[in-house]
Amino acid sequence: SYEVTQPPSVSVSPGQTARITCSGDALPEKYAFWYQQKSGQAPVLVIYEDNKRPSGIPERFSGSSSGTMATLTISGAQVEDESDYYCYSIDSSGHEVVFGGGTKLTVL
Amino acid sequence: EEQLVESGGTLVKPGGSLRLSCAASGFTFNTAWMSWVRQAPGKGLEWVGRIKSKSDGGTIDYAAPVKGRFTISRDDSKNTLFLQMNSLKTEDTALYYCWSLGTTATDDAFDVWGQGTMVTVSS
Repeated sequence: SYEVTQPPSVSVSPGQTARITCSGDALPEKYAFWYQQKSGQAPVLVIYEDNKRPSGIPERFSGSSSGTMATLTISGAQVEDESDYYCYSIDSSGHEVVFGGGTKLTVL
Repeated sequence: EEQLVESGGTLVKPGGSLRLSCAASGFTFNTAWMSWVRQAPGKGLEWVGRIKSKSDGGTIDYAAPVKGRFTISRDDSKNTLFLQMNSLKTEDTALYYCWSLGTTATDDAFDVWGQGTMVTVSS
């Protein structure tokens, strides 16, 4: 079955740039989406279709994709950005949806 | 306001069955692609399955761990999504979310999650 892979954890100081990667064989042809999930809450979409930002999401959140890797970038990370982040995509057949294992972002 | 409300989660014994429901409001349900996603306690998000809109063929896809045991269906007349779960295993214990992701006519993201309903499989 298809998988996308994320690092388990990323740590930055406030104001620094945080980058979270997601690798998957189908990413050259399929979009990546990024979700933020705080403890006890439903996930919130922060990036869709590789690099688009939904209404209401701060401009410090951006996304990019190149080859088999997608990247979520948080420029000037803030303490309130400390969360779990999940990459979501789909396999090349379009039938198997996957979430990455999640990355715990620590900002301190 | 778009809303999804799940119900039906409870404690069930291994080998048992359960049916979850998800009531949608505030958006055009019959054109939405709907999914179930679960999250075991302390673990990450796991996609369970998806049903496309009838106008897009109504195709249903499942994750490997639930294929053959779980069935997704929809009743567009009642704006409701269902998840029939049979032959439940302890590893199916999780918070089950109803979810819809798409794009609007203005190319903004359409992303709606329910609050989740807890399924516990234990003897």
